[in-house]
Amino acid sequence: AQSVTQLDSHVSVSEGTPVLLRCNYSSSYSPSLFWYVQHPNKGLQLLLKYTSAATLVKGINGFEAEFKKSETSFHLTKPSAHMSDAAEYFCVVSDRGASGTYKYIFGTGTRLKVLA
Amino acid sequence: DTGVSQNPRHKITKRGQNVTFRCDPISEHNRLYWYRQTLGQGPEFLTYFQNEAQLEKSRLLSDRFSAERPKGSFSTLEIQRTEQGDSAMYLCASSFGLAGGRQETQYFGPGTRLLVL
Repeated sequence: AQSVTQLDSHVSVSEGTPVLLRCNYSSSYSPSLFWYVQHPNKGLQLLLKYTSAATLVKGINGFEAEFKKSETSFHLTKPSAHMSDAAEYFCVVSDRGASGTYKYIFGTGTRLKVLA
Repeated sequence: DTGVSQNPRHKITKRGQNVTFRCDPISEHNRLYWYRQTLGQGPEFLTYFQNEAQLEKSRLLSDRFSAERPKGSFSTLEIQRTEQGDSAMYLCASSFGLAGGRQETQYFGPGTRLLVL
């Protein structure tokens, strides 16, 4: 089975400084990996996804992530944090189920706090 | 906006009561998923439908839980004889796919927050 581990449960950054949210994965085959963001009282929104086309993936709102097979990592970065980035972020791997189709396996989440 | 919608958004019930949640997926999506998210945790998979067929259920889905997707459109999740441990956010997601699905993006609704007293 596939799994993801988010290495930090909380991250605090100052506005305008870089953001790094760390995710390691475990997969027996070439994984599909996703980052989702969850703002309070809102649904999960896709930031970006890796599907083996390119190792550096650009997403919405200035976020990007790099797939590193040698390190089994898929860390999320942003050059300059904005107050509106404060939210919960989830790293997700797509896992093949018994039915032959795929379901999401979520990490435990990283709460990003942006300080003024 | 034609995103995934869920009703109700909040539900407070007493232990032992039955509750039912509804999910309306994006109209052309053939796949529908239910997840449960408890406080401080990531969502966990509960069950999956392709069109009207329920193809997979998690071990988390006890006998008190039942889900349906009649006619392959909206879906309902019912919990019978609720327990305090059922308190959580119940999320619905949908996607469109013809085969496999490893790279499919799932689109999530806002969730139904259940509190069992």
